[in-house]
This record gives sequence, structure tokens and C-alpha cells, in this order.
Amino acid sequence: DIQMTQSPSFLSASVGDRVTITCRAGQNIDNYLNWYQQKPGKAPKLLIYGASTLESGDPSRFSGSGSGTDFTLTINNVQPDDFATYYCQESYSIPPYMFGQGTKLDMK
Amino acid sequence: EVLLVESGGGLVNPGGSLRLSCAASGFSFKSAWMSWVRQAPGKGLEYVGRIKSNIDGATTDYAAPVKGRFIISRQDSTDTLYLQLNSLKTEDTGLYFCVTDLFLTGILHHWGQGALVTVSS
Repeated sequence: DIQMTQSPSFLSASVGDRVTITCRAGQNIDNYLNWYQQKPGKAPKLLIYGASTLESGDPSRFSGSGSGTDFTLTINNVQPDDFATYYCQESYSIPPYMFGQGTKLDMK
Repeated sequence: EVLLVESGGGLVNPGGSLRLSCAASGFSFKSAWMSWVRQAPGKGLEYVGRIKSNIDGATTDYAAPVKGRFIISRQDSTDTLYLQLNSLKTEDTGLYFCVTDLFLTGILHHWGQGALVTVSS
């Protein structure tokens, strides 16, 4: 199984800030990296796939980058609706497709 | 609109069994690869397993913690996905999500609301 490590685990930000979450894979996964957003009491929601493709309907203030082993999720101009937990997930090769441990973004 | 509705969760004793169902609509279920993902209370997401479409052999893959105990199956005639949970342990407690993999690539597009499984004596 491929180990996925996210950092930081917790992040505080104010509305309007720019924040970056990092995800590191234990081996090369090309661009097979996806990001999900989960709000309390809700199911996760696909945000970005293929490392940098924004899911249809998601705001353009979200962006993803990286390839190989190091990836980032950036939120520009954080909005109140963005305070949530974010997970990275690798979809390289065969299952199980491992998740990072999550990053909780809360309001400063 | 894609809709996934899980059912069958509940309280079960350690060592017991449970079967979860996921009723799917709004997409071509018979063509879709489907996955289960779980989340222990207050914890992160854990991939449970996947089943390919019958066209692709309906083969299954499982995460190590559930391999040999859990079985994923599907019934295309009723657009239903199943997860049979056997030899349950307390660490299997959590919310189980049914998820689509529409690109057949491990990208988890659509999620159900989850079914809660509690393993406790």
C-alpha cells in the first residue's frame, strides 16, 4: 500500500487568506492524486482529481498542483464555506487507494 | 442526478455479521465501478474495497484490514451494491460510504450519506 502523508493536520485561517495543504506520497504516483472536502456530518465531496483538474462546479479559488510524490492544494481568498477537512487520496495502480490523514481548516 | 442511498447499518456484537446495501440511481450502474469507504468516529477516511462492473469481470479488491472478512457484490438488475461484513471487530465501527468510480480510475466521484455500523457488546 502507498503511504500518504498530509501536512499540516490543523490549519487556522481568516476569510480572505491564502492557504496551502501539502500531501506527500510514499512512492511515485505520477499525477494520480485527488483531493476531497468534507464538512461536519456530511459525506466527502470530490474537489480536484488528476492532481490539478478542478471538479465541475467547484470554485476556481481551489487549485491543485504537483506530480510524482509531492502535491499541494491551495485555496486563494478563503471563504466561510471553505472551513472543512480536506483529504488527499492516491489512485495509482490498484486498490486499496490510500487517503492522507486529513487537514482540518478552521477559522482563526 | 446521481443518488446513492445506503441502508442496513446497525449495532452488532463482535464476531457478528451485517449486510449493507446501496441503492443507486441517476447513472449507468451496470457500467460503473463501485467502492466502499469507511470513517471511524472522529477519524479520517479509509478505503475498504472496490468491485468492477460485470462487463469487466466484477473483480474485487480489498484493503488489508478487511480482506477475508468483507465481501463486496452487486446486483445490476436492481442497481444495488452490497457490502457483507463478517467476523466484525470493534475497530470496524464507523460510517460506511458507498461511492462511484465513474472514470474507472479510483477517482471517487459521488458519495452516499453513509450507513453507521457499531460493533459493540
